[in-house]
Amino acid sequence: DGGITQSPKYLFRKEGQNVTLSCEQNLNHDAMYWYRQDPGQGLRLIYYSQIVNDFQKGDIAEGYSVSREKKESFPLTVTSAQKNPTAFYLCASSPGTANEKLFFGSGTQLSVL
Amino acid sequence: GESVGLHLPTLSVQEGDNSIINCAYSNSASDYFIWYKQESGKGPQFIIDIRSNMDKRQGQRVTVLLNKTVKHLSLQIAATQPGDSAVYFCAENPYGNNRLAFGKGNQVVVIP
Repeated sequence: DGGITQSPKYLFRKEGQNVTLSCEQNLNHDAMYWYRQDPGQGLRLIYYSQIVNDFQKGDIAEGYSVSREKKESFPLTVTSAQKNPTAFYLCASSPGTANEKLFFGSGTQLSVL
Repeated sequence: GESVGLHLPTLSVQEGDNSIINCAYSNSASDYFIWYKQESGKGPQFIIDIRSNMDKRQGQRVTVLLNKTVKHLSLQIAATQPGDSAVYFCAENPYGNNRLAFGKGNQVVVIP
């Protein structure tokens, strides 16, 4: 998937548990993104980061947290505050300049036990 | 076509025919548009993009048309193949930067 690796492929969360989704890229891209995809819906932006040690909220950031300590890594934590976490989560990266395509990982399916 | 499964608009097309997928975008300030293809359980794959200073761009078996007057984007796939069965998303850049906004997608089903 174009140098972006997401893990795990499938993840299960128990009530009240925080879980972390991994996203690593070896494309030397500055910008990284997390999207949530629900059945019958488009991709909705959770968080994005334009540069190391900086990130911004997207459209549906509540109940999620991120960090960007390294250029190649952008992990997403789904906290217990996210009451409806079941979804397909997609990580993407881009060079960071305007009008450039995003490269996506293969996704993580998160389900609630 | 009928709506199936994920309640997405669905286009059923005979193998070998041409497909046309339509997308209405929301922001007249958007100046960059992309089409992605997503197969079940996988991440979206880039197909083709177009900037607002163009109204047509061609790739391998695909053509994107942009009508800024009515804020409409279309993707044409020539000689549709079974491997073209997927969900197709359009995206625009309403914020004028590298942050994209995605449409809800169109399901394409190729009938052998």
